[in-house]
Order: sequence, then structure tokens, then C-alpha cells
Amino acid sequence: GAVVSQHPSWVICKSGTSVKIECRSLDFQATTMFWYRQFPKQSLMLMATSNEGSKATYEQGVEKDKFLINHASLTLSTLTVTSAHPEDSSFYICSAYWTSGIYNEQFFGPGTRLTVL
Amino acid sequence: KQEVTQIPAALSVPEGENLVLNCSFTDSAIYNLQWFRQDPGKGLTSLLLIQSSQREQTSGRLNASLDKSSGRSTLYIAASQPGDSATYLCAAPGSGNTGKLIFGQGTTLQVKP
Repeated sequence: GAVVSQHPSWVICKSGTSVKIECRSLDFQATTMFWYRQFPKQSLMLMATSNEGSKATYEQGVEKDKFLINHASLTLSTLTVTSAHPEDSSFYICSAYWTSGIYNEQFFGPGTRLTVL
Repeated sequence: KQEVTQIPAALSVPEGENLVLNCSFTDSAIYNLQWFRQDPGKGLTSLLLIQSSQREQTSGRLNASLDKSSGRSTLYIAASQPGDSATYLCAAPGSGNTGKLIFGQGTTLQVKP
């Protein structure tokens, strides 16, 4: 399957700082990427849909001003957690969406573990 | 709105047993369904992707089936091994052709030696 990378794999930051997470599609161009969040012992929850060249679409309950998404190119989407607080500590996973028009599949990155002190 | 449910939430079996993990979804207008494995503290590993035109997919000791009419998918693991211990997640597309995936809560499997 296709390869999606995330950087950094883990980050620890102080409360109030901003953290940027990168998601790269290495094998194909992805006009759409997705960002998920996973709290301990819970499943993945979709946060937002990242669209190349346009604004991201956020799921209900996700603050767009806190979680800034920029899909600057067909292979890169970034998620910036602004003014991070301890409750933002979580595992963030991105995926790149591939479609042939008939077949569709999402390829997932390895995740980024954010710890806010 | 698509909702995905997995049963059981946890399962503990002795090594060598065959087992079945269940996944149900509410919106049957899906184009595929995917099963993933997640080890503690790690990302997702894609196991099987079943297209809507298929009824099952096999990979080694894993077999996944899809019944759209009943809104169900099963993951069958044959001759389980301790290395199979992990959380298994199924994911179905969200309602509407948006590409979104909706995940179940997962089944945490422990295979005892």
C-alpha cells in the first residue's frame, strides 16, 4: 500500500504553546487528507477533512480556530494545535485519500503523540 | 448518519483457537469496509479492505466477510497466536460520498500462550 508519513512522531510541549504536525503522502498526490484524534483506550474520531487548495471541513464539536489545517500541496497537510492545553494531549493520526473513481482507500500515517504539560 | 459498532469489546482466548470479531454498520450504502490492527501506542495497520462488490477477502489466517444487506462484517482469525494480541478496528465510509471513515470502538484481543 501507499506510504504516508507524519512528523514528528511524538512531541512534548508546555501549555499555551502551538504545535505543528505534518502529514505527507509519499507515493501519490492526495487532494483530500483526513485528521483523526485518538484518546487513550478509545477509537479514532474524525476531526476534519483537509482539502488541497481550499478550507478544511471540521466535524461537529471541533474548534477550527484551535486546530488549524493547511493543505498547501497535493502531498502535504499540516495540523497546528494552537495554544495547546493538557486536554489536547492525544494521539493524532492523518490519512491520505486515494481514489480511482471506482475504488477508494485511505492510507494512514503512523501517528503523532502529543503531550501537553 | 453512519454508526459503526464492534462486538465484543474485549476477547481473551487460548492460543490455537479460531475466533470471530463482529462489526455492524447502520448505513449500508458503502463502497468498501476496512479492518485494521492497532498495537498499544502504535498507529494503524491495514489488514483487509473489502470492496462493496466483494463478499469476502482473505490474507493468510485472516478472512473478512461483508454482508451489506444486513449491515455486518466479520473478521475471522484462524489458529490464533499470541502475536495476534492487539486491538482490531473496523471502519466504514461515512454517509454520503465524502471519503470519511467512521471507526468502531474496536475489539481488544488477547491470545494466551
